[in-house]
Amino acid sequence: RKEVEQDPGPFNVPEGATVAFNCTYSNSASQSFFWYRQDCRKEPKLLMSVYSSGNEDGRFTAQLNRASQYISLLIRDSKLSDSATYLCVVNWAGTASKLTFGTGTRLQVTL
Amino acid sequence: DGGITQSPKYLFRKEGQNVTLSCEQNLNHDAMYWYRQDPGQGLRLIYYSQIVNDFQKGDIAEGYSVSREKKESFPLTVTSAQKNPTAFYLCASRKEAEAFFGQGTRLTVV
Repeated sequence: RKEVEQDPGPFNVPEGATVAFNCTYSNSASQSFFWYRQDCRKEPKLLMSVYSSGNEDGRFTAQLNRASQYISLLIRDSKLSDSATYLCVVNWAGTASKLTFGTGTRLQVTL
Repeated sequence: DGGITQSPKYLFRKEGQNVTLSCEQNLNHDAMYWYRQDPGQGLRLIYYSQIVNDFQKGDIAEGYSVSREKKESFPLTVTSAQKNPTAFYLCASRKEAEAFFGQGTRLTVV
């Protein structure tokens, strides 16, 4: 089983739609969680951290479910500019600053 | 402006050659990383360093070497022992939560 698993997609959605991605992780001792965005042939950039109580940033909502060991990302009112690959990232407790990336979920927003 | 810089952006290597990828940061971050990205496989950790003169192997260190003589610099050498080096290489630095990435180096073996 991979340490961090994501559905690769692609998710094809029309503009204005709501779309959700899940990510599961295998290590219950995982400490912190993030969503990164990566545009085609570019470097990943932090989209948002994921907090235990859930957090929202504009149209984006991230949630953590420690019992089931997954995190989610919800995008409301999708824009064409949201088209990208979304990477789930987990930091293991006890390994200080080692970040483990999922393979990413590709989102394509269409007119 | 603070940031992390990788060079070159594109690199072509003949089989059997060693090549070194540069990574420099002026963010004053202690931790630095090298990742490799292949299509459909996401980012895989090659090496990481949490402090000057110290580094650890990641998940796919075979065929690679690094050094960390200065806080700002973390060069990666792709040796001839790396059997399939063609990939997109990403360097990152991190202080607390967020990791900042360079723009990457695309290495192609010809």
